[in-house]
Amino acid sequence: DGGITQSPKYLFRKEGQNVTLSCEQNLNHDAMYWYRQDPGQGLRLIYYSQIVNDFQKGDIAEGYSVSREKKESFPLTVTSAQKNPTAFYLCASSPTQGFTDTQYFGPGTRLTVL
Amino acid sequence: GDSVTQMEGPVTLSEEAFLTINCTYTATGYPSLFWYVQYPGEGLQLLLKATKADDKGSNKGFEATYRKETTSFHLEKGSVQVSDSAVYFCALRGVGIGSSYKLIFGSGTRLLVRP
Repeated sequence: DGGITQSPKYLFRKEGQNVTLSCEQNLNHDAMYWYRQDPGQGLRLIYYSQIVNDFQKGDIAEGYSVSREKKESFPLTVTSAQKNPTAFYLCASSPTQGFTDTQYFGPGTRLTVL
Repeated sequence: GDSVTQMEGPVTLSEEAFLTINCTYTATGYPSLFWYVQYPGEGLQLLLKATKADDKGSNKGFEATYRKETTSFHLEKGSVQVSDSAVYFCALRGVGIGSSYKLIFGSGTRLLVRP
């Protein structure tokens, strides 16, 4: 089945540690996105990528980093510079570079800082 | 900038009741509009969408009509089921160079349906 997978489902981190969240899609989509969701709020865009080896900052990129070395993969690293990283992280993808298509979401990773 | 406003929840209904979740937006031009649903502990699923004025999106008994004159995209369902209990997000994608790459989300409305 085609879709978006995120791992792990739950992640615990100690303060000061970097962690990397995985996002893989087998939909052959060009564009990929990372969003952050906080309780009782909508989603906010962290980073997005239109094509391999290219990515752009979203609205809340500080303390995060990404890479796009393969079309199907878009990992997100939450660095120790992110002041409040506890949140639900959602990866999404859409078919074309032009951002005119619907975005499809993965199941999410819940990150908790201990 | 672009924004989406949803009615606050939770909305609590009995099974088979009529559902309306209000959504209004602020954006230039003709944005695309979406409703997503999130079940507990899961990601978002696209429920329906509309890309131009007067379009009606529909799926699984849910409907929403793109109303340019009132800048609204209210979600409706004639008869809700317990399995519809979830959080519903209204979202838009703008048309400008600086806004077409992302979705702008409302804060979500939690729906609880009692048997």
